[in-house]
Amino acid sequence: NAGVTQTPKFRILKIGQSMTLQCAQDMNHNYMYWYRQDPGMGLKLIYYSVGAGITDKGEVPNGYNVSRSTTEDFPLRLELAAPSQTSVYFCASSYTTGQGNSPLHFGNGTRLTVT
Amino acid sequence: QQQVKQSPQSLIVQKGGISIINCAYENTAFDYFPWYQQFPGKGPALLIAIRPDVSEKKEGRFTISFNKSAKQFSLHIMDSQPGDSATYFCAASRSNTGKLIFGQGTTLQVKP
Repeated sequence: NAGVTQTPKFRILKIGQSMTLQCAQDMNHNYMYWYRQDPGMGLKLIYYSVGAGITDKGEVPNGYNVSRSTTEDFPLRLELAAPSQTSVYFCASSYTTGQGNSPLHFGNGTRLTVT
Repeated sequence: QQQVKQSPQSLIVQKGGISIINCAYENTAFDYFPWYQQFPGKGPALLIAIRPDVSEKKEGRFTISFNKSAKQFSLHIMDSQPGDSATYFCAASRSNTGKLIFGQGTTLQVKP
């Protein structure tokens, strides 16, 4: 049982480059989330999705885009990478809204450096 | 109004001691308060959670205390063990939104 799988684990980008962070879950969860984690700042919600074809912005969506064409996959797209996007990115999923008996299941993260 | 403030930023406790981490929130519409535990190189994992209709919830050595009037909640780790060394995050959300707002995190080190 793989859970939430994120690829790649590490990536270095040059300023202005683009990339897609991949996230896949095999738990048939309908809710999926992207967070970024910066030292001393906790986790900030970038985008989330309540099901295939439905996405919405979180706290810090600028500079990112998402799509949700299937229940399993929720890729995060960075266009025109900037040093401020250097962070650790976590994808998560949950069966419902991530409350009560439906906690968020996180992947192991992608560490991105933009230089 | 969306912030969750967590303290301390770091904590060192001797084995067998009590670790206490505090959080405060502003939005009175929040009605779900989980704590997540994160080990290096891993994603966070749910540790324990509480709703505002109770003042305390205990699971093993981990206890959440909740003070609705003060808009504060805390995590107590009794008989702290070196294996508890990790980063702990409090969080809060409104029902049915799926948007967890996280605190800044506390790095706990339990010395043997």
